[in-house]
Amino acid sequence: GQQLNQSPQSMFIQEGEDVSMNCTSSSIFNTWLWYKQDPGEGPVLLIALYKAGELTSNGRLTAQFGITRKDSFLNISASIPSDVGIYFCAGPDENTNAGKSTFGDGTTLTVKP
Amino acid sequence: EAQVTQNPRYLITVTGKKLTVTCSQNMNHEYMSWYRQDPGLGLRQIYYSMNVEVTDKGDVPEGYKVSRKEKRNFPLILESPSPNQTSLYFCASSLSNYVPAEAFFGQGTRLTVV
Repeated sequence: GQQLNQSPQSMFIQEGEDVSMNCTSSSIFNTWLWYKQDPGEGPVLLIALYKAGELTSNGRLTAQFGITRKDSFLNISASIPSDVGIYFCAGPDENTNAGKSTFGDGTTLTVKP
Repeated sequence: EAQVTQNPRYLITVTGKKLTVTCSQNMNHEYMSWYRQDPGLGLRQIYYSMNVEVTDKGDVPEGYKVSRKEKRNFPLILESPSPNQTSLYFCASSLSNYVPAEAFFGQGTRLTVV
């Protein structure tokens, strides 16, 4: 199946700093999804991207669908302690007849007050 | 309230003892899926279902079974659990049968097999 590589694997930042993380693939994706998982909870969808080059915001979060369709970026501005968690990128497996999905390994974010 | 409910939240069992983790959604979603989450490996898809009576393998189906007799329920069955199935399991559902455009996840089931 397809693979998604996320970087960095973990980040330790000070409250108020901006954060940037990315997700890359060796194959093309037509949809990019970004999820956040709070400690002890299931992932929650943050942003969905459906078009190459698309830039979408959700509050302090901004995500972009790379023009090559092989990458995506998530930025968080002015981080706050509740931003702590694991951020996953995900996408459908275009090589199958839909249904399968692939998740990256996640970026773990720690925010120091 | 729209939600995906998994039970139990925590389970400790012994090798070889059959178990079922239930998953139920109240949003009339067609698509449902099971994932396991292990440290450093992200979420890996076990099985998914596009509709009632339609199920298919994800990336790590070995040792698991599922059924979809009704739209709202999608239980995960471990016929003979082994220690390598110790993991955190998530059920998810979404409106579209075209993968998780907006997937809702359950709160997880932490399974330990000794």
